[in-house]
Amino acid sequence: EAGVAQSPRYKIIEKRQSVAFWCNPISGHATLYWYQQILGQGPKLLIQFQNNGVVDDSQLPKDRFSAERLKGVDSTLKIQPAKLEDSAVYLCASSATLNEQFFGPGTRLTVL
Amino acid sequence: QKEVEQNSGPLSVPEGAIASLNCTYSDRGSQSFFWYRQYSGKSPELIMFIYSNGDKEDGRFTAQLNKASQYVSLLIRDSQPSDSATYLCAFYGGSQGNLIFGKGTKLSVKP
Repeated sequence: EAGVAQSPRYKIIEKRQSVAFWCNPISGHATLYWYQQILGQGPKLLIQFQNNGVVDDSQLPKDRFSAERLKGVDSTLKIQPAKLEDSAVYLCASSATLNEQFFGPGTRLTVL
Repeated sequence: QKEVEQNSGPLSVPEGAIASLNCTYSDRGSQSFFWYRQYSGKSPELIMFIYSNGDKEDGRFTAQLNKASQYVSLLIRDSQPSDSATYLCAFYGGSQGNLIFGKGTKLSVKP
């Protein structure tokens, strides 16, 4: 069974630039999550999708972050404009049940 | 603000010893608790989940839950250098029942 795929794996941008991340969940997983993990911290949920609908985006900085999940499969997370404090690893996860979330390899973002 | 507290470590144990990782949580209503392992530069992977008070064993790993004390722990028996990683405690406590993670405890197992 293929795991959660994410791209790119690394991204370096200047502040105020925009960036987009892509995630392809495990086939058949209805729930998709985007997390932000700052160095030395645990993952923090940004947004949760159930199929193509948003379940929770309460911690998503909506003035600069946006996310979509078209057709209930792939998802993209965008940051525009980026700030220095957005430097982090962005993790995508998917799940079929509440018992286990499967994480992708993550995208390491550096904002200079 | 619902939170998970973990000692950031590092916790250093010799090979073959028992490693004990601890976690406290703020939400008395939480029902589900999870331990994830994260190797440096890698993504988290689930080790165990526990719902009921008491112990749950899986191989060398034992999770312990005490809801009255709002405390959950992970014991790793016969620790191996390959167990060296950061261990994240998490519980379902967000507004939509989302996972809330602690900062993690870094474990180092010395040969």
